[in-house]
Amino acid sequence: NAGVMQNPRHLVRRRGQEARLRCSPMKGHSHVYWYRQLPEEGLKFMVYLQKENIIDESGMPKERFSAEFPKEGPSILRIQQVVRGDSAAYFCASSPLFLDSGSYNEQFFGPGTRLTVL
Amino acid sequence: DAKTTQPPSMDCAEGRAANLPCNHSTISGNEYVYWYRQIHSQGPQYIIHGLKNNETNEMASLIITEDRKSSTLILPHATLRDTAVYYCIVRVAYNNNDMRFGAGTRLTVKP
Repeated sequence: NAGVMQNPRHLVRRRGQEARLRCSPMKGHSHVYWYRQLPEEGLKFMVYLQKENIIDESGMPKERFSAEFPKEGPSILRIQQVVRGDSAAYFCASSPLFLDSGSYNEQFFGPGTRLTVL
Repeated sequence: DAKTTQPPSMDCAEGRAANLPCNHSTISGNEYVYWYRQIHSQGPQYIIHGLKNNETNEMASLIITEDRKSSTLILPHATLRDTAVYYCIVRVAYNNNDMRFGAGTRLTVKP
């Protein structure tokens, strides 16, 4: 059972270009989460998606950032008109369907995409 | 915003037990304590979780105080490969959108 897959692992963009980060969840997982990690900092939650639905995007910047998780294919985190401050590691995690209250939902993380904006 | 407080760094000798503390004085009755670790900028790895009883698995043990305001992650025989940043997180188990990472504890295992 393959783990969470992210590609590309490294992405270099010039200011003003678009960055597209892809995440394939673990088989059977229908929940996807995106996190951003700036150098020497902890992970910051960005967005939580189920298939074709955005459940919580409270951590997403209001402009230039968008995420989707289509019925078919990977989840995409899209950053338009990148700026140097977008340089970070972006991690995707997935989890299975909710279990009953009181049980846990472990999130499985991918290896991350390291975005560098020149 | 993290609901936990951890020391920024700790050292441990190889082969000895590593005890990583975490304070979560505002934990709610329905919140679990989770531990993850991140090895050298890889994706975080789940270690263990608990509600109020002590827990043990093949990786670690989790000791939660009776008032649940603090906990300790124990790596019984630390190896060099356990060098990582360890994150203590409190969250409602069935509410997947509130995984909040703090700064964690950077554990360095020394030979």
